[in-house]
Amino acid sequence: RKEVEQDPGPFNVPEGATVAFNCTYSNSASQSFFWYRQDCRKEPKLLMSVYSSGNEDGRFTAQLNRASQYISLLIRDSKLSDSATYLCVVNSFRGGGNKLTFGTGTQLKVEL
Amino acid sequence: DAGVTQSPTHLIKTRGQHVTLRCSPISGHKSVSWYQQVLGQGPQFIFQYYEKEERGRGNFPDRFSARQFPNYSSELNVNALLLGDSALYLCASSLETGRGEQFFGPGTRLTVL
Repeated sequence: RKEVEQDPGPFNVPEGATVAFNCTYSNSASQSFFWYRQDCRKEPKLLMSVYSSGNEDGRFTAQLNRASQYISLLIRDSKLSDSATYLCVVNSFRGGGNKLTFGTGTQLKVEL
Repeated sequence: DAGVTQSPTHLIKTRGQHVTLRCSPISGHKSVSWYQQVLGQGPQFIFQYYEKEERGRGNFPDRFSARQFPNYSSELNVNALLLGDSALYLCASSLETGRGEQFFGPGTRLTVL
């Protein structure tokens, strides 16, 4: 089983649509959680952190359920510029350091 | 402010050769991590360094090594290259270890022929 699993996509949605991505993780000792965005052939960029209480940043809402080891990202009013791959990321500490474990990513295509 | 920089941007090598990739973190960031991303996959953790010390190592063979310098820049070395080492190598910096908010450089795209 992969440490972080995501819907593979692609998700093709019209502009203005609401789209939701899901992710599950296997390491219950993971400490913090993130969504990163990656454009084609570019580096990943931090989109937002994810908290158990849920957090919102404009059109983006992220949610964490520790009991179910489940993370979600909701994008409202999709824009063409939201087209990218969304990476679910889990941060775990060990040996004085930490490592990020990435899912394979979910590709989003927003169309006119 | 300058972001994370990596060099070279592209590299073509043949099997059996070795390669050195370089990374300069964001000013003030003391931790550098290296990731390998093959096509269609998410980045895979290779190493983390903090204050010149290795703080983490992923599941990569001993052909992969790295180091961090006093100015916090870092090098990733790969020996005896295999075709399967072809990938995008990403460097990420953070203020300190433990932080999930890591900032990635543009990567070095390595092709092994």
